[in-house]
Amino acid sequence: SYVLTQPPSVSVAPGKTARITCGGNNIGYKSVHWYQQKPGQAPVLVVYDDSDRPSGIPERFSGSNSGNTATLTISRVEAGDEADYYCQVWDSSSDHRVFGTGTKVTVL
Amino acid sequence: EVQLVESGGGLVQPGGSLRLSCAASGFTVSSNYMSWVRQAPGKGLEWVSIIYSGGSTYYADSVKGRFTISRDNSKNTLYLQMNSLRAEDTAVYYCARDWTPGSGYGYWGQGTLVTVSS
Repeated sequence: SYVLTQPPSVSVAPGKTARITCGGNNIGYKSVHWYQQKPGQAPVLVVYDDSDRPSGIPERFSGSNSGNTATLTISRVEAGDEADYYCQVWDSSSDHRVFGTGTKVTVL
Repeated sequence: EVQLVESGGGLVQPGGSLRLSCAASGFTVSSNYMSWVRQAPGKGLEWVSIIYSGGSTYYADSVKGRFTISRDNSKNTLYLQMNSLRAEDTAVYYCARDWTPGSGYGYWGQGTLVTVSS
């Protein structure tokens, strides 16, 4: 089965840039989606199809995908960005959807 | 406005059964890709199952043969029938709809907690 690996945690100071990676075999050939989840809440889609943003998501959230790594970048980080973030892809070989292991972003 | 409201969670003994429901409004369930995603306490998200608009269904290996996803078009409702439940099935279960087909889960319910314990 397809595996997506994320760093367990990322720490960033307010106003700085946070980068969250999502590693997978040839992930650059897949469409990657990113979710933000705050405690006690359902996840929220923040980036889809590698780099598109749903309506209502700030431009501070951006994504890229190439080779074996996809990246979610949060610019000008705010206290409200503190949350868990998950990447997700569709594994065409099994027709399963797969989530990454998740990254906890802490704003210092 | 798109809304998803889950129900049916609760406490069940190991080996027991439970049926979760997800009532949808603001769109037609049968015209969309609908999924169940779960999250064990303190753990990450785990994809459980999907039903495509054409009716095809797929399951995670961890639930295949025990869980069944279905929909009732007349009620615009998604279901998850869970049989032979195990302690490791304890989780919050979310129903979710694709933002656009194949483009990630843009709509989520609030979740319903399933606890499998004796």
